Amino acid sequence: DTAVSQTPKYLVTQMGNDKSIKCEQNLGHDTMYWYKQDSKKFLKIMFSYNNKELIINETVPNRFSPKSPDKAHLNLHINSLELGDSAVYFCASSHTTGAVGTDTQYFGPGTRLTVL
Amino acid sequence: RKEVEQDPGPFNVPEGATVAFNCTYSNSASQSFFWYRQDCRKEPKLLMSVYSSGNEDGRFTAQLNRASQYISLLIRDSKLSDSATYLCVVSPLNSGYSTLTFGKGTMLLVSP
Repeated sequence: DTAVSQTPKYLVTQMGNDKSIKCEQNLGHDTMYWYKQDSKKFLKIMFSYNNKELIINETVPNRFSPKSPDKAHLNLHINSLELGDSAVYFCASSHTTGAVGTDTQYFGPGTRLTVL
Repeated sequence: RKEVEQDPGPFNVPEGATVAFNCTYSNSASQSFFWYRQDCRKEPKLLMSVYSSGNEDGRFTAQLNRASQYISLLIRDSKLSDSATYLCVVSPLNSGYSTLTFGKGTMLLVSP
């Protein structure tokens, strides 16, 4: 019973290619996120969707395009991959009550992207 | 100044030791505070939330000092399985949506 799942787990590709990472959650959450963890282990928010609507878009190159077909899925498409895109990408989800503060985020297992 | 600062470690301790981690945050508007744990090559998982009055969960005790913008985590009677990276996490007031800012983490290595 995987709560937050991501595919693929590993992705090795050449510079300039276009690739997608998929994320699905079966927790009934309404908010989903993409994080990037670089080689220095720094985990940083990229995007957040609430009920399929984009609510957070950090300063991420527009080569990265998230897509949320429904509340349970948030996919990440990356165009023209660069060496610097190599990192672990984590999907996460939470149930947002709308109250001040935050709710526990549950993370997927991560996708380790290596750009050659 | 980084938004969330932690000593990266590693902290090397023997089993049974008590170890404390500290964290400072720069955004005084931060409303929610957490400690997450991340095992090597795994995803972060919530360890515990941190409340103003301080809170305890078994061997783990978290403290928050809003005036100093400082958070701590104390682990008593360390186990081998406690070896991991501990991430200090804060969340600012942001329209009710979860915006977590992570520190880089403090690595703990517990040896037999």
